Amino acid sequence: DGGITQSPKYLFRKEGQNVTLSCEQNLNHDAMYWYRQDPGQGLRLIYYSQIVNDFQKGDIAEGYSVSREKKESFPLTVTSAQKNPTAFYLCASSTATGEETQYFGPGTRLLVL
Amino acid sequence: GQNIDQPTEMTATEGAIVQINCTYQTSGFNGLFWYQQHAGEAPTFLSYNVLDGLEEKGRFSSFLSRSKGYSYLLLKELQMKDSASYLCAVRDRYNQGGKLIFGQGTELSVKP
Repeated sequence: DGGITQSPKYLFRKEGQNVTLSCEQNLNHDAMYWYRQDPGQGLRLIYYSQIVNDFQKGDIAEGYSVSREKKESFPLTVTSAQKNPTAFYLCASSTATGEETQYFGPGTRLLVL
Repeated sequence: GQNIDQPTEMTATEGAIVQINCTYQTSGFNGLFWYQQHAGEAPTFLSYNVLDGLEEKGRFSSFLSRSKGYSYLLLKELQMKDSASYLCAVRDRYNQGGKLIFGQGTELSVKP
């Protein structure tokens, strides 16, 4: 089946620790996105990538980093610089051209110990 | 800048019709999306409007008026499984290469 997978479903972070969230898609989509969702708020864009080896900061990139070495993969690292990392993280992908719809993965819930 | 407003919560009865409104302000409007999100799950795509008018898909319809900066999602014959958050999102071609801007979502509760 084609789709987007995220792992793990739940992730715990200790103080001062970097953690990496995985996002993989087999939809042959060029564009990939990371969003953060907090209770009572809309999705906020962290980073996005429209092509391999290129990515751009979104609205709330501070404390996060990404890489796009392969078309299928767009991992997100939550660094120790992100002081309030507890949230639901959603990865999405879309075709890069035309009036594309973004399709979402199942999400990773990050909790701080 | 961009701004999207939608009601925080709505309640409706099983079998009824409910309309969820979304108003937006953006300088380079290039399409409006509706997503459904059940608690703890990923948003799933419902509809897309870029021209004025009504798009119908089974029990769900979405309407757009670009001159008024207004859209609504209409859900007919409500079922209990329709209890979810409904997200309105706008694409702005002048915002970071046309990326989506999301509203806060409308939490719909369907009662028996």
